[in-house]
Amino acid sequence: QVQLVQSGAEVKKPGASMKVSCKASGYSFSNYGITWVRQAPGQGLEWMGWISTYNGNANYAQKLQGRVTMTTDTSTNTVYMELRSLRSDDTAVYYCARRFGDYVWGSWFDPWGQGTLVTVSS
Amino acid sequence: DTVMTQTPLSLSVTPGQPASISCKSSQSLLHTNGKTFLYWYLQRPGQSPQLLIYEVSNRFSGVPDRFSGSGSGTEFTLKISRVEAEDVGLYYCMQNLQLPPTFGQGTKVEIK
Repeated sequence: QVQLVQSGAEVKKPGASMKVSCKASGYSFSNYGITWVRQAPGQGLEWMGWISTYNGNANYAQKLQGRVTMTTDTSTNTVYMELRSLRSDDTAVYYCARRFGDYVWGSWFDPWGQGTLVTVSS
Repeated sequence: DTVMTQTPLSLSVTPGQPASISCKSSQSLLHTNGKTFLYWYLQRPGQSPQLLIYEVSNRFSGVPDRFSGSGSGTEFTLKISRVEAEDVGLYYCMQNLQLPPTFGQGTKVEIK
């Protein structure tokens, strides 16, 4: 079945970087993009960006521009999301999800990975 | 960014009774291609979100027919015809007419 499996929880210090992986299985990897959404404790969902697994093109949320990079490895069907210069308000559960749709409009996301908790604390 | 506003923020429902969640967007979600890019997700307690409805009213694969979506322009509704225990969780609407995709605050559905 279609499945996205993410890497495990991390604890980071302010100013450090994090890199979360998302390994896809059960479908043709390059036919669907991957999106990243995060959820701060007790908060709602925030879109971070998405990446085409076909050509590596990515769109990022404006507020994260310059701090986030998404990459794809077609040899292992894995997408990576790196966030740099971490702050305490980056503490969140980070989700990857398969993206249906190829345009900047009209995309939906399913299924989602199990989530990765990243805690930023000194 | 398009602001998505859900009401109510919480809902307590007797099993077997209907439930309704409203979602309003700060701008129309109708694309020039005629489609409206409004989606509904359910996040069960301790789980990842899952897609329920895409493009206002289309149930995603495997979603029970007690879930239905409706609306147009800037006002949308998710209805559960007969709430079951497994429907407990947070419901989010999301728009993707333009970047960035944005979510509502979430509506918590509980069972009485």
